[in-house]
Amino acid sequence: DIQMTQSPASLSASLEEIVTITCQASQDIGNWLAWYQQKPGKSPQLLIYGATSLADGVPSRFSGSRSGTQYSLKISRLQVEDPGIYYCLQGYSAPLTFGSGTKLEIK
Amino acid sequence: EVQLVESGGGLVQPGRSMKLSCAASGFTFSNYGMAWVRQAPTKGLEWVATISYDGSSTYYRDSVKGRFTISRDNAKSTLYLQMNSLRSEDTATYYCTREPGSSFDYWGQGVMVTVSS
Repeated sequence: DIQMTQSPASLSASLEEIVTITCQASQDIGNWLAWYQQKPGKSPQLLIYGATSLADGVPSRFSGSRSGTQYSLKISRLQVEDPGIYYCLQGYSAPLTFGSGTKLEIK
Repeated sequence: EVQLVESGGGLVQPGRSMKLSCAASGFTFSNYGMAWVRQAPTKGLEWVATISYDGSSTYYRDSVKGRFTISRDNAKSTLYLQMNSLRSEDTATYYCTREPGSSFDYWGQGVMVTVSS
C-alpha cells in the first residue's frame, strides 16, 4: 500500500499569514494527489485535484504543488473561514490512501 | 446541483448485516464511478470501496473484502453498500462519494453506523 505521510499534525497561524501543509508519498504517484478540507461535523470538501488544479468554487488563495514525491498545499493569506482539518489523498493505486490530517487553527 | 443522500445507518450488533443506500441527483449517475469512504469517530478518512460507472468493476480495502459488497442501480441513480459480518471496528460515518478519476469530488452528508452489542 502507498503511505502518505502528512505534516504537520497541527498548525496555528495568524490571519493573512501564509500556511503550507505537505504530504510525502512512499512511492511515485505522479499527479494523482488531491487535497480536502473538513470542518467540524461536515463532509470533506475537495480543494485541489491532479496535484495542482483548483476545484470549482475554491478560492484562489488555495494552491497545490509537487516536487517529486512531495506535495504541498499552500494557503496564501489565511482567512477566518479556513480553520479545519486538511487531508491529502493519493489516487494512484488501490487502496486509495489519505494522509493522517492537519488540524489548522487561527492564532 | 449535485446531491448525494445516504440512508440506512444506525445501531447494529456485531456479526449482523446492514445495507446503506445513496440516492444521487444533479448529474448523469451512469457516467461516473462511485465510492464509499468512512471515518471512525475522531479519526481520519478511510477509503472503503469503489465501483466503476457501469458496475463491471469493484475494488475493496482488504479489511472489508469478503464482507462488504458495493453495487449500483443506474436506472434508480442509487449506490449501495451491503455490509455483512459487521465488527466493532466498522463503526464510522460512511460517506457516499463521486469518483470522476481517482479523487472524490462530491460527498454526501454521511450516515453513522454503530456496531455494538
